Amino acid sequence: SQTIHQWPATLVQPVGSPLSLECTVEGTSNPNLYWYRQAAGRGLQLLFYSVGIGQISSEVPQNLSASRPQDRQFILSSKKLLLSDSGFYLCAWSLSSVEQFFGPGTRLTVL
Amino acid sequence: GENVEQHPSTLSVQEGDSAVIKCTYSDSASNYFPWYKQELGKRPQLIIDIRSNVGEKKDQRIAVTLNKTAKHFSLHITETQPEDSAVYFCALQGAQKLVFGQGTRLTINP
Repeated sequence: SQTIHQWPATLVQPVGSPLSLECTVEGTSNPNLYWYRQAAGRGLQLLFYSVGIGQISSEVPQNLSASRPQDRQFILSSKKLLLSDSGFYLCAWSLSSVEQFFGPGTRLTVL
Repeated sequence: GENVEQHPSTLSVQEGDSAVIKCTYSDSASNYFPWYKQELGKRPQLIIDIRSNVGEKKDQRIAVTLNKTAKHFSLHITETQPEDSAVYFCALQGAQKLVFGQGTRLTINP
């Protein structure tokens, strides 16, 4: 069966520091991969998605970037964090963009 | 592009009563409409979905109805229980991604 992992589970970072969040999927090949951010008490904001290795589509122009170095690995990065980057970061996968499944999430607090 | 509006944003019902959440959309090309439940501090979980070739789908106390002509779909929860308290998101299939509604915070009062 398929499993999706995210780490770390929680992270506290100072403003201006770099960020790297990792997501990996097991049990499937060539999945579509997604990064979402959820601010406290808010909805799901799609940040990036990828339909294949090296293919990244950006939904919002921010100080964040994403990379997909391997088929089942998706990385979210930032060179300098802002206070507004705080939130719950969710990775998700799907096959052909239906039935999307979410990872456990990373709770990021920027101080 | 695709857009989906979800109402209400908050909903409070007495335990045992029914709850209904409605979503409207503008893109008639969508053929897949899932609903997700997110408990506090947890990941969204798919609870039910419907495809455009059917008008209604039921799974125990949860049902979803779809009206493609009017471009709206709804989640119905009957005989609500305390564990139904959560945020619910509707979504529709867009180009290589899902488009989510803004969410409904459902509270079940004992």
